[in-house]
Amino acid sequence: EAGVVQSPRYKIIEKKQPVAFWCNPISGHNTLYWYLQNLGQGPELLIRYENEEAVDDSQLPKDRFSAERLKGVDSTLKIQPAELGDSAVYLCASSSQGTGANVLTFGAGSRLTVL
Amino acid sequence: KQEVTQIPAALSVPEGENLVLNCSFTDSAIYNLQWFRQDPGKGLTSLLLIQSSQREQTSGRLNASLDKSSGRSTLYIAASQPGDSATYLCAVRTTDSWGKLQFGAGTQVVVTP
Repeated sequence: EAGVVQSPRYKIIEKKQPVAFWCNPISGHNTLYWYLQNLGQGPELLIRYENEEAVDDSQLPKDRFSAERLKGVDSTLKIQPAELGDSAVYLCASSSQGTGANVLTFGAGSRLTVL
Repeated sequence: KQEVTQIPAALSVPEGENLVLNCSFTDSAIYNLQWFRQDPGKGLTSLLLIQSSQREQTSGRLNASLDKSSGRSTLYIAASQPGDSATYLCAVRTTDSWGKLQFGAGTQVVVTP
């Protein structure tokens, strides 16, 4: 079974440019998460989806970040315009249910460098 | 707000020694606690999940304990191997945030041959 797939793995852009990251969760997992991980820190939740509904986006900087999960499967996270401080690893994770009992499976992440 | 702390930030041990990694959290109202492993440039791999009603979980050479009242969890790795070199992160899920894991910053482990 394929795990959580993310692309691109690496992205280097100039500041003020837009960037998008894509995530394909494990088949059948209805809960999808986007996490931000800065160097030397633990991941921080940006947004959580239950199917196609964003149920927790309180940590998403909505002035420049947006996310969507059409049809409740794949998800896209977009930054426009990117700032230097957005350089980080963006991790996608999925689980079979939104309840606390389920283990999250993470993708390999998308590393963003903003110059 | 739940805060999760992992000390030390880095640890180096010779092969064969037992590893002891510590995790502390400020709010004891947790649903569960997970330990993850992260290799350089990779995502996180779940190692063990302990429900709030449990005291410990074991998987092979790994054993994790949980003391909710004192806000602590410890991950033991027996007979360490160079392949155990990675960053280990703990994360708690509080009872009021079903979907949100609060992570520590991790402990970077190096096992020398």
